[in-house]
Amino acid sequence: GDSVTQMEGPVTLSEEAFLTINCTYTATGYPSLFWYVQYPGEGLQLLLKATKADDKGSNKGFEATYRKETTSFHLEKGSVQVSDSAVYFCALQGIWGNEKLTFGTGTRLTIIP
Amino acid sequence: GAGVSQSPSNKVTEKGKDVELRCDPISGHTALYWYRQSLGQGLEFLIYFQGNSAPDKSGLPSDRFSAERTGGSVSTLTIQRTQQEDSAVYLCASSPSGGGVPFSGANVLTFGAGSRLTVL
Repeated sequence: GDSVTQMEGPVTLSEEAFLTINCTYTATGYPSLFWYVQYPGEGLQLLLKATKADDKGSNKGFEATYRKETTSFHLEKGSVQVSDSAVYFCALQGIWGNEKLTFGTGTRLTIIP
Repeated sequence: GAGVSQSPSNKVTEKGKDVELRCDPISGHTALYWYRQSLGQGLEFLIYFQGNSAPDKSGLPSDRFSAERTGGSVSTLTIQRTQQEDSAVYLCASSPSGGGVPFSGANVLTFGAGSRLTVL
């Protein structure tokens, strides 16, 4: 079945550091890929998505590129801020576009000033 | 409504009691999902409703768990004879209609704030 493997946390970085959170997946065909974020005390929010190979999703300075050859969707940000502290979830959705999301276990990110 | 609404936001119950959690999806969204987020765990899929189709119940952990969706809108997740391991945040999400065609693009799920269940 479909699965998502995500970099284990927690991750602690200094402000303005470069961030990478690794995500790889196993799925039939070519799923859509997502990053969701959960800020402290808030619900899950969509951060970015990509629906086909080589697509790059971007939002709030974060980027992730859909790499079919490595079945990966790593999340990156060039200069993190304290406000980026949150739990990040990688997820996939099947090719039919109306299916449930399969999530990774989440990565807790803490940015220190 | 403007977003996915869940109630109660917090529920504390005693072991063995039944609980009901409610989800009111975004108006016009035909798909509705329930997930569970346990402490230190990822998001565990429970059940999925899509329009008038039979729900996908493949994620329900035991027969103590059930869910209904009335009139294609509001959903209720019921947990009977609660156990301590049921303690978690229960998340509801909805998404618009569409899909069903391969590679037509993703339906984005919008999540509610969750219902935190504590079983003593």
